[in-house]
Amino acid sequence: QKEVEQNSGPLSVPEGAIASLNCTYSDRGSQSFFWYRQYSGKSPELIMFIYSNGDKEDGRFTAQLNKASQYVSLLIRDSQPSDSATYLCAVTLRNSGGSNYKLTFGKGTLLTVNP
Amino acid sequence: DVKVTQSSRYLVKRTGEKVFLECVQDMDHENMFWYRQDPGLGLRLIYFSYDVKMKEKGDIPEGYSVSREKKERFSLILESASTNQTSMYLCASSLYYSAGVGSNQPQHFGDGTRLSIL
Repeated sequence: QKEVEQNSGPLSVPEGAIASLNCTYSDRGSQSFFWYRQYSGKSPELIMFIYSNGDKEDGRFTAQLNKASQYVSLLIRDSQPSDSATYLCAVTLRNSGGSNYKLTFGKGTLLTVNP
Repeated sequence: DVKVTQSSRYLVKRTGEKVFLECVQDMDHENMFWYRQDPGLGLRLIYFSYDVKMKEKGDIPEGYSVSREKKERFSLILESASTNQTSMYLCASSLYYSAGVGSNQPQHFGDGTRLSIL
């Protein structure tokens, strides 16, 4: 079974700290990785995405890929209370026949940033 | 910015009714998707479409159908609504179809429809 796994949390960090969110995936052939933020009662909002060719930094957010260990991380520097949300990881996984890819979402990690 | 618009934010229907959920995107995206999201179960793919009049089943298609008559519009139909279809329904779209469904382009979501079946 192809899977994307996230720790459900809650992950609690103080304001100003670095929040580190991790996501493991089962398909060594995966090449596209996405992070979404979802506030309670709202729809997922794309934060950033990376491909297998490297990490990416965008403002306070950094996405890092470790292909050997098959996990992708999202780092949030200088965490703010407004960052409190559920963070969804999504990875393209091959189907059982290996001929097609599908975007598969993890169940999300709840992040709480305490003032 | 990508805009994905779902016709209703909240909807209440009765068991056995035929329910239509509408989704429109304004970015000329080829791919469109319907998900439902339930506590503890995450996002689950119901149906997707990679072109006009094309559709493919996702992970949980039973009890649903879809229609894509125009590129910008993707409709989800609950043929005979049941209480276990009470959920948050999310529509998404993404740019072109390559090796797989939205395989290398991000999906952009609408605001969602919270559907209650009584």
